[in-house]
Amino acid sequence: DSGVTQTPKHLITATGQRVTLRCSPRSGDLSVYWYQQSLDQGLQFLIQYYNGEERAKGNILERFSAQQFPDLHSELNLSSLELGDSALYFCASSVVAGQGNYGYTFGSGTRLTVV
Amino acid sequence: AQTVTQSQPEMSVQEAETVTLSCTYDTSENNYYLFWYKQPPSRQMILVIRQEAYKQQNATENRFSVNFQKAAKSFSLKISDSQLGDTAMYFCAFMKQGGATNKLIFGTGTLLAVQP
Repeated sequence: DSGVTQTPKHLITATGQRVTLRCSPRSGDLSVYWYQQSLDQGLQFLIQYYNGEERAKGNILERFSAQQFPDLHSELNLSSLELGDSALYFCASSVVAGQGNYGYTFGSGTRLTVV
Repeated sequence: AQTVTQSQPEMSVQEAETVTLSCTYDTSENNYYLFWYKQPPSRQMILVIRQEAYKQQNATENRFSVNFQKAAKSFSLKISDSQLGDTAMYFCAFMKQGGATNKLIFGTGTLLAVQP
C-alpha cells in the first residue's frame, strides 16, 4: 500500500456518460497529480493541484475537470465519454510543489473502460 | 519544453545477467531531477531510483544503478543480477527543479522481460 488511495479500481461505462474518479493523497502530501496512461501514449500529465488550488495543466481535454477539496482529496470528472478515453488513470501525490526531488507516490490507478 | 526518449521499446535478459536500459532527455534547464519508475504487471508505479542533476556521482540502489551523463543528456539504468521479479515496464522521467509546479515528464517506456 503506497498510501495514495484511488477509487474505484475498475469502471465500465457507456459512451456519452460521465464518471468521477477519486483520489486520497498520502498523509501529509499537499500536491495531487493526475495522469492518463493509454496503451499507445504512455503516461500523460493531466493536471496538478496544490493545497486546493490548480497549479499546472497538461493535455487535459475540456470534457475533463478536476478539483481538490479542503481535506486534500481530489476528484477527476470525465464527461461525454468516448471510446478513446478508455485508459488507466493514475493519481499521485507529493509533499509540496516545487520540491519534487523525491518523486511522487502513485496510487494503484483506476481502469476506465468505455463501451 | 522538456522531452524524454526511450529508444528501446522491448528488451530481454537472462536471469542473473546484467541489462542496461537507455534514456535521453532534452532540456534547457540546469537544475532538475531524473527518475526511473517500474511498472510490473500489477500496473502499480514504483520508484526505482532518482538522480539530482547537480550531483556528479551516479545514484545506486542495491542492484540498480544509473549512468548519468549531463552533457550528453543521457540517463541509463543498469540492472545487475536480474531477477524474474524485475520483469516490468520501466519508465524514465524528468522533473524540473523549483518553480510552482513539479510535474513529471515520462518517456514511452521499455518493456523488460527477464527469462529463466
